[in-house]
Amino acid sequence: QSVLTQPPSTSGTPGQSITISCSGSKSNVGKNPVNWYQQHTGAAPKLLIFNYGQRPSGVPERFSGSKSDTSASLAIDGLQSEDGAHYYCAAWDDSVSGYVFGTGTEVSVL
Amino acid sequence: DVRLEESGGKSEQPGRSLRLSCEASGFIFSSYSMNWVRQAPGKGLEWISYISSGGETTYYGDSLEGRFVVSRDNTKKSLYLQISRLRADDTAVYYCTRDVLLPSGRVFDTWGQGTLVTVSS
Repeated sequence: QSVLTQPPSTSGTPGQSITISCSGSKSNVGKNPVNWYQQHTGAAPKLLIFNYGQRPSGVPERFSGSKSDTSASLAIDGLQSEDGAHYYCAAWDDSVSGYVFGTGTEVSVL
Repeated sequence: DVRLEESGGKSEQPGRSLRLSCEASGFIFSSYSMNWVRQAPGKGLEWISYISSGGETTYYGDSLEGRFVVSRDNTKKSLYLQISRLRADDTAVYYCTRDVLLPSGRVFDTWGQGTLVTVSS
């Protein structure tokens, strides 16, 4: 059961910028770093952003993350066709001593 | 290359048990904590369990009702998930992930390709 809330879907045209929100609470997003994972259809998830806004090697600079209080956001600046995928936020939750994922957001590139 | 390869998924009847395996390569397995994450068909990701690098500490998701047991064999570079009293809602792709603990917090930096478990009579 997801405790991090994301919008179910969003879309944009190539070159546009979009933002995905992730709403949590003091015990998860408010206290621990948020990571973002990208999952293309039929594939395993892939780490996209960690520690709110850091990118692993190989992840394009158009992906960025931020956090404010108990919410986090993922921004894609200059949407590309290959960005069409599902995106999940995640964080450790101290109240349950477990890792919690967001509900997931499907990004469509029109 | 850092790789994780799950196996053991199959179609099984409700009430039976199943053991999933995850074989690691390309890194020092005994130095890393590991996790299991599952994804039901058409649904989101659900964290299942965590095990520390030496196996002495484990955590489980709240909804699992004690039916899941995670273990590891560092000599075989392998992670395991034992699922008992299988239910239809255990139907999912099960992923193993490598857990990296940074100063800022933990992150699942590597995922396997997943193994499908189908529970049906």
